[in-house]
Amino acid sequence: AQSVTQLGSHVSVSEGALVLLRCNYSSSVPPYLFWYVQYPNQGLQLLLKYTSAATLVKGINGFEAEFKKSETSFHLTKPSAHMSDAAEYFCAVGTGGGNKLTFGTGTQLKVEL
Amino acid sequence: DSGVTQTPKHLITATGQRVTLRCSPRSGDLSVYWYQQSLDQGLQFLIQYYNGEERAKGNILERFSAQQFPDLHSELNLSSLELGDSALYFCASSPGLLGSYEQYFGPGTRLTVT
Repeated sequence: AQSVTQLGSHVSVSEGALVLLRCNYSSSVPPYLFWYVQYPNQGLQLLLKYTSAATLVKGINGFEAEFKKSETSFHLTKPSAHMSDAAEYFCAVGTGGGNKLTFGTGTQLKVEL
Repeated sequence: DSGVTQTPKHLITATGQRVTLRCSPRSGDLSVYWYQQSLDQGLQFLIQYYNGEERAKGNILERFSAQQFPDLHSELNLSSLELGDSALYFCASSPGLLGSYEQYFGPGTRLTVT
């Protein structure tokens, strides 16, 4: 079965600092990987997705993620954090058949002045 | 705005009752998914429909059922409600079944069982 593990349920960074949110996946086949963001009292919004076209994926709001097969990782980064980035971030892996998503446990990002 | 709509936004009901949550997918999307988000279980896939037919089942209780109608909207029925069913219920849609398709999420229905 495919799964994702998000290391760190809470991450705190200063405004302007690098954001690094970790995600490792487990999959017996080439995975489809996604990062979603959830702002308070809202639904999930897609940040970016990996579908094997390119290992470095650029998303919205300045976020990007790099697929590393050797490390089974798909970490999310942003060079400079902004206060508006404070939210919960979910990594997810999609199955090939049926397309259901399996989510990680989420990482709450706090951005401090 | 993802284009996925869910009603109602909030629902408060008592134990033992039955409720129906409604979802309208994005225009053109054939696949609908239901997820449950709770503090202790996180985001859990419940069930998927594609063009009116059930395609995949996840951690969905027998007390819960869903269907997708010819106009592609979907309903999730929760019966014999228990306190532990209190959660956010999300609907998502995608164009089809390919794993590369991203899913677009609705704003959710917050269910509180008292």
